[in-house]
Amino acid sequence: DAKTTQPPSMDCAEGRAANLPCNHSTISGNEYVYWYRQIHSQGPQYIIHGLKNNETNEMASLIITEDRKSSTLILPHATLRDTAVYYCIVRVATQGGSEKLVFGKGTKLTVNP
Amino acid sequence: NAGVTQTPKFQVLKTGQSMTLQCAQDMNHEYMSWYRQDPGMGLRLIHYSVGAGITDQGEVPNGYNVSRSTTEDFPLRLLSAAPSQTSVYFCASSYLADSPLHFGNGTRLTVT
Repeated sequence: DAKTTQPPSMDCAEGRAANLPCNHSTISGNEYVYWYRQIHSQGPQYIIHGLKNNETNEMASLIITEDRKSSTLILPHATLRDTAVYYCIVRVATQGGSEKLVFGKGTKLTVNP
Repeated sequence: NAGVTQTPKFQVLKTGQSMTLQCAQDMNHEYMSWYRQDPGMGLRLIHYSVGAGITDQGEVPNGYNVSRSTTEDFPLRLLSAAPSQTSVYFCASSYLADSPLHFGNGTRLTVT
């Protein structure tokens, strides 16, 4: 099973870019990298996903290394409201084609004023 | 837009009692799943379904049952609650298994 490794916590100054790393060294060629975040006790929120190319949307950018063994989520101008736990997930395909979406423990990002 | 709706928001049970956590989505999503979240543990997959009539076990299925008789609903049943099942439960759905997940706001369950 492909799994991810993330630092347990990070700090970032308000207004600066937050760069959250994720290692997924056993990722398979057809597996996507997904990022979610969870603010306080709310349900997790989808941020972005990608396969090989870098991706950008209104929330963040996703940089995937050429060998696809790691990725970085970038919040370009972090605000206090971005304080959350960020989860990096790789699709885990099971036999028969059904999918177990497995979450790890994530990175607790604290944005400081 | 209702999205994914979970009921109840809070529940207290005594050991041995049974109950059903409800989850409904109005987005015509095929994939639905249940997670539990405990302090310091992240989210752990309990059961999931790739369509009506199809369910499968996740990482921590023991003590829980599910069924998927309709596309919209995916209830989670605790047959005999135990204190170890005290947790926050999240239901999620997506259009396909590899599409972004939409989560409900959770059910906080306490078993005494």
